[in-house]
Amino acid sequence: EIVLTQSPATLSLSPGERATLSCRASQSVSSQLTWYQQRPGQAPRLLIYDASNRATGIPARFSGSGSGTDFTLTISSLEPEDFAVYYCQQRNKWPLTFGGGTKVEIK
Amino acid sequence: EVQLVESGGGLVQPGGSLRLSCAASGFTFSSHEMNWVRQAPGKGLEWLSYIDTGGSTTQYTDSVKGRFTISRDNAKSSLYLQMDSLRAEDTAVYFCARRGVRGVCEGFDLWGQGTMVTVSS
Repeated sequence: EIVLTQSPATLSLSPGERATLSCRASQSVSSQLTWYQQRPGQAPRLLIYDASNRATGIPARFSGSGSGTDFTLTISSLEPEDFAVYYCQQRNKWPLTFGGGTKVEIK
Repeated sequence: EVQLVESGGGLVQPGGSLRLSCAASGFTFSSHEMNWVRQAPGKGLEWLSYIDTGGSTTQYTDSVKGRFTISRDNAKSSLYLQMDSLRAEDTAVYFCARRGVRGVCEGFDLWGQGTMVTVSS
C-alpha cells in the first residue's frame, strides 16, 4: 500500500503567520492527492483535491501544490479557525490511505 | 439539508458483530460513490471501505477484509457497514463519507458526524 508521511507532526505558529505542511508518498500518486482539515470533535472537511484544486467554499488562503511523491499545503495567513489537524490522502491506488496528520497549534 | 447521519454504534464484546448505518438526505444518494473511514481515539484517519453507485464494486483495506462488508440501499438512501469478528483494535469513531462527483470534485466532500464503536469485554 502507498504510505503517506506528513511533516512536521506539529507546527506551532501565531495567527497571521504562513503555514507550510508537507506530505510525501512512498510511490508516485500522480496528482491524486487530497487534503482535509479536522477540528477537535468534528468530522474532517475537504480542503484541496487533486493536489491543487480548492473545494467549494474553501478560502483562497489555502493552496496546494505538488505531484508525484511530494506535496505541500500552504495556509498563507493563519486565522484562529485554522488551528486544527490536517490530513493528506491518496486516491491513486487501492487501498486509499491517509497520512498521519499535522497538527497546527497556536504558538 | 444535505447531510449524512450515522447510527448503530455502541459497546460490543470481542468476536461480536455490529451493523452501522448511514442515512443520506438532501441529495441524490444513488449518484454518489460512498466510503467508510474510522478514527481510533486520539489517532489519525483510516480509510476502510468503498462502494460504487450501484453497489456492485467494493474495496476494503486489508485490516478489515473478510470481516467487514459494505453495502447500500439506494431506495432508502442508506449506506451500511456490517462488522463481524470485532477486535479491540476496531474501537473507533466510524464516519461515512460521500465521494464528490467524478470529474467535478475528486474528494470526500460530505461527512457524517460519526458513530462510536467500542469493542471490549
